[in-house]
Amino acid sequence: DVKVTQSSRYLVKRTGEKVFLECVQDMDHENMFWYRQDPGLGLRLIYFSYDVKMKEKGDIPEGYSVSREKKERFSLILESASTNQTSMYLCASSLSGGPGNTIYFGEGSWLTVV
Amino acid sequence: EDQVTQSPEALRLQEGESSSLNCSYTVSGLRGLFWYRQDPGKGPEFLFTLYSAGEEKEKERLKATLTKKESFLHITAPKPEDSATYLCAVPQTGANNLFFGTGTRLTVIP
Repeated sequence: DVKVTQSSRYLVKRTGEKVFLECVQDMDHENMFWYRQDPGLGLRLIYFSYDVKMKEKGDIPEGYSVSREKKERFSLILESASTNQTSMYLCASSLSGGPGNTIYFGEGSWLTVV
Repeated sequence: EDQVTQSPEALRLQEGESSSLNCSYTVSGLRGLFWYRQDPGKGPEFLFTLYSAGEEKEKERLKATLTKKESFLHITAPKPEDSATYLCAVPQTGANNLFFGTGTRLTVIP
């Protein structure tokens, strides 16, 4: 079974703090993704990576950065957290070779910024 | 512009009462339509991928079908454990990520 593991399930951070969300996948997938999910807005892509050290902006990259130093690990960084970044964050991965490959999700990280 | 619209937003069914969820899509060249199930507080769980009009896939009480403009998720004789939000998604044009609809929240009442 594909396993995508998000290290933190629930976090509470203060405005202005730097926040790291970590994600690891164990299926040797080339593609990794970070989405955020908000009520009424669905899942929106923040960043994705198709290879180590490679990254592409998604639909809502402002206020976020990412790091992919190893194939299995993809980190989302909030440089200075703000209250409008309170959300559920979902990491996902898939094989390369085309957009028809299934994307598998982790359990999600609930971030509250106060 | 890519678009995925799901209806209804919410659906309440009695146990055993069959129904269908709809996913309408607009995308340049369909490269797959994906259905996911999401339980509260958890990540989406993959259910099906459909690649061409006329294709059908089944899993337990769920059957997904695809036409050139929409997909249906048919739920036959649902049980309370089928209660979840069902999401559909298509690959975004020119990219490897998925573009999601906002989901249908299904509640099955015993």
